Amino acid sequence: GAVVSQHPSRVICKSGTSVKIECRSLDFQATTMFWYRQFPKQSLMLMATSNEGSKATYEQGVEKDKFLINHASLTLSTLTVTSAHPEDSSFYICSAPGSRVHADTQYFGPGTRLTVL
Amino acid sequence: DAKTTQPPSMDCAEGRAANLPCNHSTISGNEYVYWYRQIHSQGPQYIIHGLKNNETNEMASLIITEDRKSSTLILPHATLRDTAVYYCIVRGPTDSWGKLQFGAGTQVVVTP
Repeated sequence: GAVVSQHPSRVICKSGTSVKIECRSLDFQATTMFWYRQFPKQSLMLMATSNEGSKATYEQGVEKDKFLINHASLTLSTLTVTSAHPEDSSFYICSAPGSRVHADTQYFGPGTRLTVL
Repeated sequence: DAKTTQPPSMDCAEGRAANLPCNHSTISGNEYVYWYRQIHSQGPQYIIHGLKNNETNEMASLIITEDRKSSTLILPHATLRDTAVYYCIVRGPTDSWGKLQFGAGTQVVVTP
């Protein structure tokens, strides 16, 4: 089946540094990808919609200047957490829908665990 | 506002059927019911979805009541690997495609 990969799977960084997370659709093209964030013992929260060739769309309350999204190709979206702080520590998950009609073909990546010291 | 209500947790014995309820009393006629699950520290996995009729696939069965106000996900023979958080999601064709709103879900623990 279709696969979405994320890299890195885990990252630990110092406060104030920037971290880039990659999301790749391995055997299908995705003009749109989604980025979610999940804090411990909480549900997934949609952060933004990544659009190939155009600006990302951010959910209310998500700082676009802090969470930079680049969707440079049909198989790659990147999320950069700029000037990371401990409160940004979370599990970041991307997804790519394979169909306009049914989310049954929406594929999720394995997630990236970010820890900011 | 949450479109679905699920019990926070449920235990199930290995080999037995697990019946996971979901209440979606405000569902509209063109909205689908989707089920995903998330095993600890992994990305969510699609299970099944339906509109009106009951559905079955290799993973589970979905039973939707006639008035569509509730549904039940059935795992016919639960295994330890089915331990996960199960999310019931209501999504309509007019919702931004591919965009899913996750609720709190049900933590299912399958015990030996």
